Amino acid sequence: NAGVTQTPKFQVLKTGQSMTLQCAQDMNHNSMYWYRQDPGMGLRLIYYSASEGTTDKGEVPNGYNVSRLNKREFSLRLESAAPSQTSVYFCASNGGAYYGYTFGSGTRLTVV
Amino acid sequence: LAKTTQPISMDSYEGQEVNITCSHNNIATNDYITWYQQFPSQGPRFIIQGYKTKVTNEVASLFIPADRKSSTLSLPRVSLSDTAVYYCLVGVNNQGGKLIFGQGTELSVKP
Repeated sequence: NAGVTQTPKFQVLKTGQSMTLQCAQDMNHNSMYWYRQDPGMGLRLIYYSASEGTTDKGEVPNGYNVSRLNKREFSLRLESAAPSQTSVYFCASNGGAYYGYTFGSGTRLTVV
Repeated sequence: LAKTTQPISMDSYEGQEVNITCSHNNIATNDYITWYQQFPSQGPRFIIQGYKTKVTNEVASLFIPADRKSSTLSLPRVSLSDTAVYYCLVGVNNQGGKLIFGQGTELSVKP
């Protein structure tokens, strides 16, 4: 099925550990995004990539790095996880004006 | 980026029409108004988008007055499965555009 695929779906980390969240889309979209959603809150933009080879900071970039590996893949890295980064992370791609964003199913990350 | 204001929560009953209004006083000329729906434990899903007047699709209608400082999402004859959070976003929704989500409106549909 066409869409946005995120891995892993669940992850528990200890404080200070590092990990990379993977995201891939097969819709040939140029733009990709990473959001986080804390309980009872809306989504906050972490980083985005308007096109292959470019990345820009969003609202809450501190503690994260991203890599736009190619047109399909956009990864999010936590170098030294902190409990404040416990959240659900959503990746999205943008199909343009008439289609909006397509979101993945999310990665639920817990940092203990 | 234009800031949006919408009610935090709304209650309705099955079969009723639900109207959720969003205020966006600082909307720019190039901005579109887009609404997303999010079910628990899922990513948001695009519902509808418009620039001015009225847009209708198989899911909802979007009403935008001439001054574009507000918009209303209309859900006809809601069912229990419409219980979700609804987000109003304003921005340039082309590829490369950056959309900022607000708090959203939590709609609860009761039997």
